[in-house]
Amino acid sequence: NAGVTQTPKFQVLKTGQSMTLQCAQDMNHNSMYWYRQDPGMGLRLIYYSASEGTTDKGEVPNGYNVSRLNKREFSLRLESAAPSQTSVYFCASSSPRDRDNEQFFGPGTRLTVL
Amino acid sequence: DAKTTQPNSMESNEEEPVHLPCNHSTISGTDYIHWYRQLPSQGPEYVIHGLTSNVNNRMASLAIAEDRKSSTLILHRATLRDAAVYYCILRVTNGNKLVFGAGTILRVKS
Repeated sequence: NAGVTQTPKFQVLKTGQSMTLQCAQDMNHNSMYWYRQDPGMGLRLIYYSASEGTTDKGEVPNGYNVSRLNKREFSLRLESAAPSQTSVYFCASSSPRDRDNEQFFGPGTRLTVL
Repeated sequence: DAKTTQPNSMESNEEEPVHLPCNHSTISGTDYIHWYRQLPSQGPEYVIHGLTSNVNNRMASLAIAEDRKSSTLILHRATLRDAAVYYCILRVTNGNKLVFGAGTILRVKS
């Protein structure tokens, strides 16, 4: 199993450009999440999807949209990137059937907005 | 969401035990205590969790105070590979969301 995969690993954008961060998991998990991590800080939840077909806002949703394409894939879109969105983005997944309710994280996408 | 308080950083010698404290004085009866760690340039990984009783697994032990207002993550023999940021997180029963604080930076000296 690959676990949680994210593409791309690195990206540089100019202010106003748009892009989509891709995330996929092969663990048959119902729930998926997008976090951002700014330097020296903990992760903050952007959006999450408790199950296929549902999405909900997290702590910092402004400037982002998400799509739960199917059970495996959960994408994050920046419609008009701003320098304040320079961050490392992590995708995660979990299953409520998991005894530990553990979240499994991807390796992250490092985004710089100039 | 109930909040947790952790020291900014701690230091340990290799092969010695490490006790990482966490205060959560506003914890509710249905909150689970989760610990994750984040190695440099990686995503967080699950370490351990508990509700009321102390817990052990292959990575660590979790000691929970009787009043549940604090807990301690115990690494029995720190190695250089344990150098990471350790996050103490409260999760509500049947809830999916994790709220990360700044965590504790653990430095391990050889």
